[in-house]
Amino acid sequence: AQSVTQPDIHITVSEGASLELRCNYSYGATPYLFWYVQSPGQGLQLLLKYFSGDTLVQGIKGFEAEFKRSQSSFNLRKPSVHWSDAAEYFCAVGAGTGANNLFFGTGTRLTVIP
Amino acid sequence: NAGVMQNPRHLVRRRGQEARLRCSPMKGHSHVYWYRQLPEEGLKFMVYLQKENIIDESGMPKERFSAEFPKEGPSILRIQQVVRGDSAAYFCASSPGRQDLSYEQYFGPGTRLTVT
Repeated sequence: AQSVTQPDIHITVSEGASLELRCNYSYGATPYLFWYVQSPGQGLQLLLKYFSGDTLVQGIKGFEAEFKRSQSSFNLRKPSVHWSDAAEYFCAVGAGTGANNLFFGTGTRLTVIP
Repeated sequence: NAGVMQNPRHLVRRRGQEARLRCSPMKGHSHVYWYRQLPEEGLKFMVYLQKENIIDESGMPKERFSAEFPKEGPSILRIQQVVRGDSAAYFCASSPGRQDLSYEQYFGPGTRLTVT
C-alpha cells in the first residue's frame, strides 16, 4: 500500500537560512512524487513534481527536490528561505497507472523568523 | 484561465442536515477529485470522477456521502445527515483528460464545513 511519511511536524528557520523538508514514501512501483504548499485558509499549490528522468527537479519559488530511490526519499530544499515561504508543505505520491488518487503526508509546518 | 472554483468557501450545518459542496474544474479539465482534510492532518482521497462517471470511490465513506459530476454543471459532493465528525476542509482538484498529465492535479481553495 502507498504511504507517505513526513517526519517533521514543525520546522522553524531564520530568514535567509537554507531549508530541507523530509519526505519518505512507500510504494511498490516507480512513484510519481509531488510537493504542494498550503498557505493558511488556502488550497494547495503545486511546487514541483517527479515522474521520471533527472532525479533533481526544479520547482517554483526557488524550490528543488531530489528523488533518491535507494532511500525512498523525496526531500524538498531551498537555499535561502524568505518570510513568505511560511506555510504548510505536503509531500504526496501518486498511485500507479489507472489510479489517479494522491496519497499525502501529514504535512510539515514551516515558520520563518526574522 | 480561472482556476478550480469551489463554493461555498464556508458552510455551517446543524447535525442531521445535508451539506452540498460544489466544484467547478479548470477550463478544459474533465477529471475531478475530492479530498478531505481533517484538522492537523494531510489530505485524504475520497473520490475520482469523470463526466457522468465515478472512476474510483475507494476513499468515500460507505454511508451518507455521495458524489456526482454531471454532463453539465459542477461536481457535487453531498453529505447527508451530517455529524460533528464531518467537520473538515473539503478540497476539489481537477486535471486534464490526457493520461500523461493526469497526475497534474490543480486544487481549489476548499470548502470548510462546520457541523454544530
